[in-house]
Amino acid sequence: QVQLVESGGGVVQPGRSLRLSCAASGFTFSGYGMHWVRQAPGKGLEWVALISYDGSNKYYADSVEGRFTISRDNSKNTLYLQMSSLRTEDTAVYFCAKAGDSSATTRTFYSWGQGTLVTVSS
Amino acid sequence: DIQMTQSPSSLSASVGDRVTITCRASQGIYIYLAWFQQKPGKAPKSLIYAASSLQSGVPSKFSGSGSGTDFTLTISSLQPEDFATYYCQQYHRYPPTFGQGTKLEIK
Repeated sequence: QVQLVESGGGVVQPGRSLRLSCAASGFTFSGYGMHWVRQAPGKGLEWVALISYDGSNKYYADSVEGRFTISRDNSKNTLYLQMSSLRTEDTAVYFCAKAGDSSATTRTFYSWGQGTLVTVSS
Repeated sequence: DIQMTQSPSSLSASVGDRVTITCRASQGIYIYLAWFQQKPGKAPKSLIYAASSLQSGVPSKFSGSGSGTDFTLTISSLQPEDFATYYCQQYHRYPPTFGQGTKLEIK
């Protein structure tokens, strides 16, 4: 079955950087788009970024455009989120999620990891 | 961005009840609508995509309907494990956007 395991979260000062990872198993990782979605404490879900199955296309929320970079290594079945110039409002649990299995469902989320908490605080 | 509005924001119900949650999009999204269930401290779980198609393994007590701007999620015969927060999400246009959530609580 699909398994997604995030890592790399922690406490970081404003303005600093952090890289999250998501290890995937149980499916053909190189065949699917992958997302990052975040959830601030006590708040709702916010989409962050999408990368296509081969890494050739990347899309970002306005709130992270220019500061975050999504990438993937299909040889390692791993998704990444490089976060720079972090702000206190980036504090959230970050989930990786597998996209749907057709072009029509690329922009939705079929399976989710358990999340990793990022706290941006001085 | 397409705004998604759920109602109600919270809902109290009893075990065995049938409940309906509504989701409205700020513009037409055809059937590009998904529903998720999230329990406290856990990852969301995908329930429904394409407005009414159940994800594999999701029990038939969950059903979705609607198209265009108005959608519903219905849960029949509530069980204790169904009490959670439910989110709708549109995937017609970038960026994908979520409703604010509906918290379903035990009465």
